Amino acid sequence: KAGVTQTPRYLIKTRGQQVTLSCSPISGHRSVSWYQQTPGQGLQFLFEYFSETQRNKGNFPGRFSGRQFSNSRSEMNVSTLELGDSALYLCATRIGSGAGEQYFGPGTRLTVT
Amino acid sequence: QQPVQSPQAVILREGEDAVINCSSSKALYSVHWYRQKHGEAPVFLMILLKGGEQKGHEKISASFNEKKQQSSLYLTASQLSYSGTYFCGTEGASNTGKLIFGQGTTLQVKP
Repeated sequence: KAGVTQTPRYLIKTRGQQVTLSCSPISGHRSVSWYQQTPGQGLQFLFEYFSETQRNKGNFPGRFSGRQFSNSRSEMNVSTLELGDSALYLCATRIGSGAGEQYFGPGTRLTVT
Repeated sequence: QQPVQSPQAVILREGEDAVINCSSSKALYSVHWYRQKHGEAPVFLMILLKGGEQKGHEKISASFNEKKQQSSLYLTASQLSYSGTYFCGTEGASNTGKLIFGQGTTLQVKP
């Protein structure tokens, strides 16, 4: 069974631009969670989607948004990029909406210059 | 609130044992354990649920004290491949899917 895929793997953007990251879950997984990982703040929860609905949201500004499609694929968008948005963005998927193991994708490394 | 992991770092020789602890101030529904190697994504190791259910890799064991909101990961007869950063992630009953991660414990296994 194929794992979680994320595209693109690497991205360089300029301050003020916007970016869209994509996450394709493991077949049969319907829940997608997004996390930001930085050396200073560690792993931080962004948001979670199940059945195209955002169920949970972390403490990030409104510049961070996401959505989920009917095939469970998810995208996250960051508008008006800031230098501090440079990070590894990880998505993790699981089968249902209850507690369960989450499987991470390889991540998208975003660098904002 | 972020769970607290201890110790922050551990250095072992192959074959030695280690225990990594994770403590939360909030009521927990589940605790997840992950290992991340440099430049790679976190890899699922274990999930422990309130009520005693747990699922994970055969060679790794963990405990979950629901009353104390604490979990411990036991690494026995360590191998070089165990090296990496270990994270615990905690989950409340009202917001499953939202993992709050500890700051990580760096484990180095030497030959």
